[in-house]
Amino acid sequence: DGGITQSPKYLFRKEGQNVTLSCEQNLNHDAMYWYRQDPGQGLRLIYYSQIVNDFQKGDIAEGYSVSREKKESFPLTVTSAQKNPTAFYLCASSLGGARGNQPQHFGDGTRLSIL
Amino acid sequence: QKEVEQDPGPLSVPEGAIVSLNCTYSNSAFQYFMWYRQYSRKGPELLMYTYSSGNKEDGRFTAQVDKSSKYISLFIRDSQPSDSATYLCAMPGNTGKLIFGQGTTLQVKP
Repeated sequence: DGGITQSPKYLFRKEGQNVTLSCEQNLNHDAMYWYRQDPGQGLRLIYYSQIVNDFQKGDIAEGYSVSREKKESFPLTVTSAQKNPTAFYLCASSLGGARGNQPQHFGDGTRLSIL
Repeated sequence: QKEVEQDPGPLSVPEGAIVSLNCTYSNSAFQYFMWYRQYSRKGPELLMYTYSSGNKEDGRFTAQVDKSSKYISLFIRDSQPSDSATYLCAMPGNTGKLIFGQGTTLQVKP
């Protein structure tokens, strides 16, 4: 079955530690996205990538980093510079395109908490 | 003013009721409109995808777009407890990024 796989489902971070969230898709989609979801705040875009080896900052990129070395993979690193990392992180993908009107398909998320 | 506004609810209805979920938006250039359903601790799943004005029906779900009022709706007929979830509207913005509403939490009571 085609889809988006996020791992792990739950992740705990110690103070001063970087953690990496995995996102893999087998939908052959060009574009991939990372969102953060906090209670009552909807989805906020962290980073997105339209093609391999290229990515752009979203609305809340500070304290996060990404890479896009392969079409199917878009890992997100939450760095120690992100002072409030506790949230539900969602990865998505779409066919892409310049106008961005393609629907996005989501994984089941990673819940990150601070120890 | 946010580009997309959605009442967060919660909205509680009895089983079998007709549910109306709504979003307003500010940019008249928006042409594509999406509705997602998100169960607790899961990612959003695409329910409906519409272009421009008019209605689109899929089973018990109907999406309605009124571009003149900048208002979109999702109707659920014969609501079931399994419809209990958060519903998010979304539309591509000027920069091509998807803009989401805050989400409306729906509870359908048996």
